[in-house]
Amino acid sequence: SSELTQDPAVSVALGQTVRITCQGDSLRSFYASWYQQKPGQAPVLVIYGRNDRPSGIPDRFSGSNSGDTASLTIAGAQAEDEADYYCNSRDRGGTHLVFGGGTKLTVL
Amino acid sequence: QMQLQQSGPGLVKPSETLSLTCTVSGGSISSVTFYWGWIRQPPGKGLEWIGSMYYSGNTYHNPSLESRVTISVDTSKNQFSLNLSSVTAADSAVYYCARQNNGWIFDRWGQGTVVAVSA
Repeated sequence: SSELTQDPAVSVALGQTVRITCQGDSLRSFYASWYQQKPGQAPVLVIYGRNDRPSGIPDRFSGSNSGDTASLTIAGAQAEDEADYYCNSRDRGGTHLVFGGGTKLTVL
Repeated sequence: QMQLQQSGPGLVKPSETLSLTCTVSGGSISSVTFYWGWIRQPPGKGLEWIGSMYYSGNTYHNPSLESRVTISVDTSKNQFSLNLSSVTAADSAVYYCARQNNGWIFDRWGQGTVVAVSA
């Protein structure tokens, strides 16, 4: 099992707000990065650092952190946001890198 | 804009070595800013970090794979490579190369290479 824990699946009604969480001890020390992956495609970075978005990522994507939990929030989810979302960070020892198990987001 | 292009065989026999190369364009692999990493994704499963390297040759690997993984760089070709030895069916996956920024942020990805381990 991964050092970063994510809910396997989350659903949201079109236009509503959804939060995807990532929990792990290392997140008390290191920020999580978040990736969106659609079927058959490479992952795309959507959030990094405290709450930064790469160029081209819509501002409905945001990140936050509290204790050992990082969250990715999509405000006003769109049909095109349906995808798998992964968090990643460093491990407890701070040396190696880890990914969460991923969350499948369904937009209803 | 920097791009990463992967190459390598899609089929490897059990017990042999998987070898993949990632060619960087639109920038230098010798940039002091970035590390370069390999990630894989078994069919229907999540992402797994394999290892990462700096242009100087400094590398670090997932402890679960460390004894089988070699990551190397060829700065003259602006490429870095992954060798995974003694493969089994469990190593069948999509393999990605990626640019690694600020420690653990993978902000540019290759297109992915589907690798099957089969006789």
